Amino acid sequence: DAGITQSPRHKVTETGTPVTLRCHQTENHRYMYWYRQDPGHGLRLIHYSYGVKDTDKGEVSDGYSVSRSKTEDFLLTLESATSSQTSVYFCAISKTSGSTDTQYFGPGTRLTVL
Amino acid sequence: GQQVMQIPQYQHVQEGEDFTTYCNSSTTLSNIQWYKQRPGGHPVFLIQLVKSGEVKKQKRLTFQFGEAKKNSSLHITATQTTDVGTYFCAGPGGNNRLAFGKGNQVVVIP
Repeated sequence: DAGITQSPRHKVTETGTPVTLRCHQTENHRYMYWYRQDPGHGLRLIHYSYGVKDTDKGEVSDGYSVSRSKTEDFLLTLESATSSQTSVYFCAISKTSGSTDTQYFGPGTRLTVL
Repeated sequence: GQQVMQIPQYQHVQEGEDFTTYCNSSTTLSNIQWYKQRPGGHPVFLIQLVKSGEVKKQKRLTFQFGEAKKNSSLHITATQTTDVGTYFCAGPGGNNRLAFGKGNQVVVIP
């Protein structure tokens, strides 16, 4: 969907290690998002980007940083992973069609922090 | 920020029966979107409602936007096993963001 890929798809890491997740899109969309999904919490926005080098915090940004040096790539970094960051991470882009701004999601990355 | 509440959070539905899931906001929404996530998958856009009282149908799915534009519902008739998954509603969150509800997880009993 909308040419979005995420890597890695699965990762197991240890507490205290840095982790970087990558989101890649092929359609030059301006807006990109990182969400985490946990049982009982739905989708929570971590960070989003509205252009190259333009990013802003979402509702659960503590412990995460992002970078967007190219339109097609949006990186999410966990500076020092904690067990509370075990989650499924989704990247999304926003696509405008007429008057509708729709989000298209990548396949997700399942991260386990031991 | 903008919040949308979904009820119920979980539903078990017998195959062949109908069910409804609801989405409520404390403030007026300019539009509401619905997404579906299959087990193990990612959320997929279903529909957007914009007008007060709007009703849209997609085969067995009927989406409605309330007259006051503060609530929305998704009604599924003759539930099939393919309807299993989590249904999310989302309202505008400002700055091209969406505010997602926590979702309604639907389990279909054969």
